Amino acid sequence: EPEVTQTPSHQVTQMGQEVILRCVPISNHLYFYWYRQILGQKVEFLVSFYNNEISEKSEIFDDQFSVERPDGSNFTLKIRSTKLEDSAMYFCASSEGGGVSYNEQFFGPGTRLTVL
Amino acid sequence: GNSVTQMEGPVTLSEEAFLTINCTYTATGYPSLFWYVQYPGEGLQLLLKATKADDKGSNKGFEATYRKETTSFHLEKGSVQVSDSAVYFCALILISGGYNKLIFGAGTRLAVHP
Repeated sequence: EPEVTQTPSHQVTQMGQEVILRCVPISNHLYFYWYRQILGQKVEFLVSFYNNEISEKSEIFDDQFSVERPDGSNFTLKIRSTKLEDSAMYFCASSEGGGVSYNEQFFGPGTRLTVL
Repeated sequence: GNSVTQMEGPVTLSEEAFLTINCTYTATGYPSLFWYVQYPGEGLQLLLKATKADDKGSNKGFEATYRKETTSFHLEKGSVQVSDSAVYFCALILISGGYNKLIFGAGTRLAVHP
C-alpha cells in the first residue's frame, strides 16, 4: 500500500542552524502539506502546496519557513534559523485532490525536531 | 472561526468497556469530519470519516455519526481493547479556495487496562 515517508525520523540541531525536513508523498498525489505538533499539544496546520506554489499558510509559517518540491518526488520543509520553540514533531501529508471528493490526507510518520 | 473541541483526557477504561469521546465543531460552511489516531511513537492514522450529515463512519469497531443539528461527531466503541490505547484526534476540513487544511482538536488520550 502506498505511503508517505519522511526523513530523518529524528533531527537534533543547535539554535540558529538551518534544517531541512524531507518527505516523499504518495506518487499520484498533487496536494502536499506540513503540520506540526509541539509535545503534548494539538496538531497545527503550517502550509499547503499545489502546482509548485504555496496554496495556504498559517501564521506560524513565517519568513523563517519555506517549502519546495525540488524534483518529482520530494517535498521539503526548510527552517532557516531554528529557535527553541521550533522543537516539535513535523508531519508531512499528501492528498490526491483538493476538492470535496479527494480531500483525504495521508500522513507520514513524522520527523521529531529537537532544537538545543 | 473554525474549531474543534474534544473532551479532555486522559480517559482510562478497563478492557471491554464502552468508549465515548465527545467532539463538537464550529465551522463556517459544510465540513467533512474525521477521527485520527496516534499510537505511541507513531504518526497520525485516519481512523474514520464522514463527509455529510447523518453519515456514519466506522472502522475497527469504532463508529462516529455526523450530527449537523448538534455539530457533533462523537467517537464510540462498544468494547475497547488494550491495543486501542492511543491519542484520538477529531478533525474537520473545509474547502478554502480548494486547498484543504485539517483543523484538529486537542486530542484525547485513551488508556485501556487489562
